Amino acid sequence: EAEVAQSPRYKITEKSQAVAFWCDPISGHATLYWYRQILGQGPELLVQFQDESVVDDSQLPKDRFSAERLKGVDSTLKIQPAELGDSAMYLCASSLERGPYEQYFGPGTRLTVT
Amino acid sequence: DAKTTQPNSMESNEEEPVHLPCNHSTISGTDYIHWYRQLPSQGPEYVIHGLTSNVNNRMASLAIAEDRKSSTLILHRATLRDAAVYYCILRTIAGGTSYGKLTFGQGTILTVHP
Repeated sequence: EAEVAQSPRYKITEKSQAVAFWCDPISGHATLYWYRQILGQGPELLVQFQDESVVDDSQLPKDRFSAERLKGVDSTLKIQPAELGDSAMYLCASSLERGPYEQYFGPGTRLTVT
Repeated sequence: DAKTTQPNSMESNEEEPVHLPCNHSTISGTDYIHWYRQLPSQGPEYVIHGLTSNVNNRMASLAIAEDRKSSTLILHRATLRDAAVYYCILRTIAGGTSYGKLTFGQGTILTVHP
């Protein structure tokens, strides 16, 4: 069964450093999502891509976060500089198209900022 | 976005049925009711969704009230592997900026006792 791949699974970084996460969605899925999940809370959408275009980044802290999906396939989420409050699980999901379609989630990247 | 209300936690015994309630009194005619669950240390996974009629799949059943202001996720025979956080989410088919995204609440933590 096809899965969403994410790497790394765990990342420890010092504050003010740069960090990047990678996501490879299920083949053929046009829509890709990045969510952030703080411990004890539900995931919150950071950015949504339709193919290579950003369609919703209203919750992305653009002063330090950036996301790209250059060829409309895999995607990278970057934080620079990292802050202590960025410690969280970063989840990637994909779906066939934009809309109320089933989203498939990857295992996430657990980020700890020290 | 229309909101949902779920109990913070529920408990069940193994092999017994579990009924997880969700209230969504402000649901609109263009909202589907989706359920996702998140097992410990994993990304969320899709469980089931419906619009007006009751739905069944291999994982669960979804019972939707006639006025659509509430719904119940039914696990027919709980197993230890069903211990997870269960999220009830409304998803619009009406388009707009939030089209496609999942808006997670706190969810219900289900504990299954052997």
